[in-house]
Amino acid sequence: EAGVTQSPTHLIKTRGQQATLRCSPISGHTSVYWYQQALGLGLQFLLWYDEGEERNRGNFPPRFSGRQFPNYSSELNVNALELEDSALYLCASSHTTSGYNEQFFGPGTRLTVL
Amino acid sequence: AQSVAQPEDQVNVAEGNPLTVKCTYSVSGNPYLFWYVQYPNRGLQFLLKYITGDNLVKGSYGFEAEFNKSQTSFHLKKPSALVSDSALYFCAVRDILYNFNKFYFGSGTKLNVKP
Repeated sequence: EAGVTQSPTHLIKTRGQQATLRCSPISGHTSVYWYQQALGLGLQFLLWYDEGEERNRGNFPPRFSGRQFPNYSSELNVNALELEDSALYLCASSHTTSGYNEQFFGPGTRLTVL
Repeated sequence: AQSVAQPEDQVNVAEGNPLTVKCTYSVSGNPYLFWYVQYPNRGLQFLLKYITGDNLVKGSYGFEAEFNKSQTSFHLKKPSALVSDSALYFCAVRDILYNFNKFYFGSGTKLNVKP
């Protein structure tokens, strides 16, 4: 079974540009989660999508947005990039919204803002 | 507020010795607790979880964790550490009462196992 995949592996942008990150969940998983892992910090919850809808978001400004497609893959968009947006962005998926299911993580996209 | 704390930024242990990585939580209601491991330049890998039942949970790679409700702790343990266990470990709690699908992650503990 293929795991969660993310693309690109690395992304370099300049301040003010837009970045688009992509995630494909494990087959059969309907929930997709996005996290930001900045250097020296833990994981910060960004967004949760399920069945094509945004279900929850963390304490991030509106320039962080995304969507989930009918095939359950997801896209994270970061507009008006700032230097502090440089981080590893992790995507995770889970089978159902049932609370006891763990999340499965992708390898991440390393975003560098210059 | 729901939260999870990992009080140690780093834990050093000699290969063959037992290891413990600490985690405490604060959550309303009964907690769902998880441990993940992150190797360099990789995503997180699931190790184990506590949902209900036995307080001692066994997981991947010989790891186990003990749920202690009175101390609100969920410490990760392994009887005999391997050099290959060196990685970053995250504890997570799921808010099943107020914010159902939100995971709260600790800040991570770097485990160094020396030969």
